[in-house]
Amino acid sequence: GAVVSQHPSWVICKSGTSVKIECRSLDFQATTMFWYRQFPKQSLMLMATSNEGSKATYEQGVEKDKFLINHASLTLSTLTVTSAHPEDSSFYICSAIAGGNTDTQYFGPGTRLTVL
Amino acid sequence: DQQVKQNSPSLSVQEGRISILNCDYTNSMFDYFLWYKKYPAEGPTFLISISSIKDKNEDGRFTVFLNKSAKHLSLHIVPSQPGDSAVYFCAASIAGGTSYGKLTFGQGTILTVHP
Repeated sequence: GAVVSQHPSWVICKSGTSVKIECRSLDFQATTMFWYRQFPKQSLMLMATSNEGSKATYEQGVEKDKFLINHASLTLSTLTVTSAHPEDSSFYICSAIAGGNTDTQYFGPGTRLTVL
Repeated sequence: DQQVKQNSPSLSVQEGRISILNCDYTNSMFDYFLWYKKYPAEGPTFLISISSIKDKNEDGRFTVFLNKSAKHLSLHIVPSQPGDSAVYFCAASIAGGTSYGKLTFGQGTILTVHP
């Protein structure tokens, strides 16, 4: 099946710094990518929809100035957590759709962010 | 509010027996449902899906049942194998339009299959 990678797989940073997470579709082009976050023992919560060449669409309650999303190419989307704080510590997962249906939405392995 | 709920945080089953994972939803606009399997520190992997126009979809050992009137779906795994041990997420979506591809996930159920 299609492969989606994320980098880094885990990151620890100090409070107040910014962290960039990359999401790549390795063997297919993805016009749409999604960013989710997951707190321990909770469900994946959709943060935003990332469309190549246009601004991301954020879900209600997600601060767009804090979670900057850039989808510069058909194979790369980035999520930057700006001025990170301990409450931003979470597991961030991206996904990308290959082809024309939701079944072909492939997920990355996730990035564990810990803010000290 | 949690629009997709998996009320059983965990399920333990003997190898060879049937595993039944349940999922309820509240949003009547959902018309496409999916089940994902997830291992720790990995992203979810697609298992099986069902459209709201159907009440059953089968793929090998996996069968998903949908009861629209009850807003309930279930995943049956038979026979269960130790390799099936993972977290199972139910997800729902609204096909098409601006909601295309957006998934609303349940909280997950940890399935443990004992040899």
